[in-house]
Amino acid sequence: GENVEQHPSTLSVQEGDSAVIKCTYSDSASNYFPWYKQELGKRPQLIIDIRSNVGEKKDQRIAVTLNKTAKHFSLHITETQPEDSAVYFCAASMGSGGYQKVTFGTGTKLQVIP
Amino acid sequence: DTGVSQDPRHKITKRGQNVTFRCDPISEHNRLYWYRQTLGQGPEFLTYFQNEAQLEKSRLLSDRFSAERPKGSFSTLEIQRTEQGDSAMYLCASSLDRRRETFGSGTRLTVV
Repeated sequence: GENVEQHPSTLSVQEGDSAVIKCTYSDSASNYFPWYKQELGKRPQLIIDIRSNVGEKKDQRIAVTLNKTAKHFSLHITETQPEDSAVYFCAASMGSGGYQKVTFGTGTKLQVIP
Repeated sequence: DTGVSQDPRHKITKRGQNVTFRCDPISEHNRLYWYRQTLGQGPEFLTYFQNEAQLEKSRLLSDRFSAERPKGSFSTLEIQRTEQGDSAMYLCASSLDRRRETFGSGTRLTVV
């Protein structure tokens, strides 16, 4: 099955700096890569996603890049703000037989220091 | 709130007891997923429904676990003879076809 590795496990940045979280996946059949933000005690919320036919996607201060050859993808947050502090999960998914099973990484706890 | 609803939010049970959780997905969503999340880890896939059909079950879902979605709307997850290792957050998510999943707030289970 799919295996998703994520690093770093914790990341502290100064407010205004950029944060980068990296993930690798094992199954070349994976074709959908969502990123979730989970604040303490709350549900995971999708913040951005990318499909395998796209190399980069940007949404305001958040961008995701995908390298299919190397099987890795990254989340970039620019101009970080204290409200960006949360745990971020990458995930990989493949469509097979009409459904998609999502495999999550182990999470990165991001702390933005004011 | 028209999102995914889960009930109860918290459940404390004694080891050996049975528990049942409920998930109400977004009404037009035909796909429903159950995940388990332990502290410091990402959600782990448990099972998936498309309408009323349970199409996949993870190896994590032992024979003490059973999930149903009888009418293709709400779903229940039952754990029989609970063990301390079952303590976790149980998350439900739903989606329309292969589009993005929306998560519920979860049911936190504590087995004492």
